Amino acid sequence: EVQLVESGGGLVQPGRSLRLSCAASGFIFDDYAMHWVRQTPGRGLEWVSGISWNSATIGYADSVKGRFTISRDNARNSLYLQMNTLRVEDTALYYCTSDPNSSSRGGHFAYWGQGALVTVS
Amino acid sequence: QSALTQPASVSGSPGQSITISCTGTISDVGVYNFVSWYQQHPGKAPKLMIYDVSDRPSGVSNRFSGSKSGNTASLTISGLQSDDEGDYYCTSYTTTYTYVFGTGTKVTVL
Repeated sequence: EVQLVESGGGLVQPGRSLRLSCAASGFIFDDYAMHWVRQTPGRGLEWVSGISWNSATIGYADSVKGRFTISRDNARNSLYLQMNTLRVEDTALYYCTSDPNSSSRGGHFAYWGQGALVTVS
Repeated sequence: QSALTQPASVSGSPGQSITISCTGTISDVGVYNFVSWYQQHPGKAPKLMIYDVSDRPSGVSNRFSGSKSGNTASLTISGLQSDDEGDYYCTSYTTTYTYVFGTGTKVTVL
């Protein structure tokens, strides 16, 4: 059974940093690209960042470019999101998702975790 | 990148068919066949229903089908059931190597 478990969310002041982690199991982690998608009541779903299976291809939404950094550790079956200079508008539920298109380009979000809540206030 | 446009709500009676539209531009829906659809029940994570415009993942009912014409993609749910109620989102890959989601559609079974 595929499982994606996010951790590291919490309450943080504007301008501070937070690091999200996602532990993956039940599939061959390095066969998949991975993404972070966030959701807010007001703005719906928003793609945040994606990373290819070998970390060679990385992309960011304009809203987080220069502030957030995605990374992965295939040996630990883990995905990360380092979030710096957080803003009030970054408040959201952050989902970790897996993408069977290993390049992370032109893929889709096959499996989702339950999300980690980040509140910037 | 602006969100893809979906109707805010669509409703239908049990057994009927409904269609949800997802309108983008020549920079996303219109240029790539990388459109996918997600169903979300309250308090739950989204679930993949359709990918690459019209492909269904294993385990998803064949009552769900997808199509695309020009800059607009569509999700059709036939034989509407009470469990189909929820929010539905489309998404597309874009020419700037990002992904854009739709505004979301609330489906109500009357």
